[in-house]
Amino acid sequence: DGGITQSPKYLFRKEGQNVTLSCEQNLNHDAMYWYRQDPGQGLRLIYYSQIVNDFQKGDIAEGYSVSREKKESFPLTVTSAQKNPTAFYLCASSIAELQFFGPGTRLTVL
Amino acid sequence: GDSVTQMEGPVTLSEEAFLTINCTYTATGYPSLFWYVQYPGEGLQLLLKATKADDKGSNKGFEATYRKETTSFHLEKGSVQVSDSAVYFCALIRAGAGSYQLTFGKGTKLSVIP
Repeated sequence: DGGITQSPKYLFRKEGQNVTLSCEQNLNHDAMYWYRQDPGQGLRLIYYSQIVNDFQKGDIAEGYSVSREKKESFPLTVTSAQKNPTAFYLCASSIAELQFFGPGTRLTVL
Repeated sequence: GDSVTQMEGPVTLSEEAFLTINCTYTATGYPSLFWYVQYPGEGLQLLLKATKADDKGSNKGFEATYRKETTSFHLEKGSVQVSDSAVYFCALIRAGAGSYQLTFGKGTKLSVIP
């Protein structure tokens, strides 16, 4: 099956710890994206990558980092510098203007 | 900058009622417009899209028409079902942006009761 996988579905971390969220796609898409979703605020873009080894900051990149070493993988690290990391994180990939989303990871920082 | 404004939710309807969710946008140029749907605990799925003025997107009984004169893209369905309960997001991509970044509205939660 072609698609986007995110793991794990639920993630718990202690305050002050870095945590990495996984995103893998087998759709052969060049572009990938990370969004954060908070209740009542819609989706906000964290980082995006149009090609391997290149990525750009989105609207709320502070406290996050990414890498794009392979076309199919775009992991997101939530660092201890992120003040309010508890949220639902969505990964997407796109062909032209059509974006396809993964099932999301709900991160809770205790 | 670009922005999308959706009607505030939540919206609660009885089964078979008519649905309208309003969406207006602000953007330079001629953006492509989208409606995405998110079922509980899941990611987003593309519901429909329109790429130019007067285009009508449709899927699963939902429709939306790209109205350039009113900068709107309202979502409609003639008869909702319980299975339509979800959060609906209006979004745009500005033509020529290159990186195809979506700008989302805040979402409208729809609950359909039997």
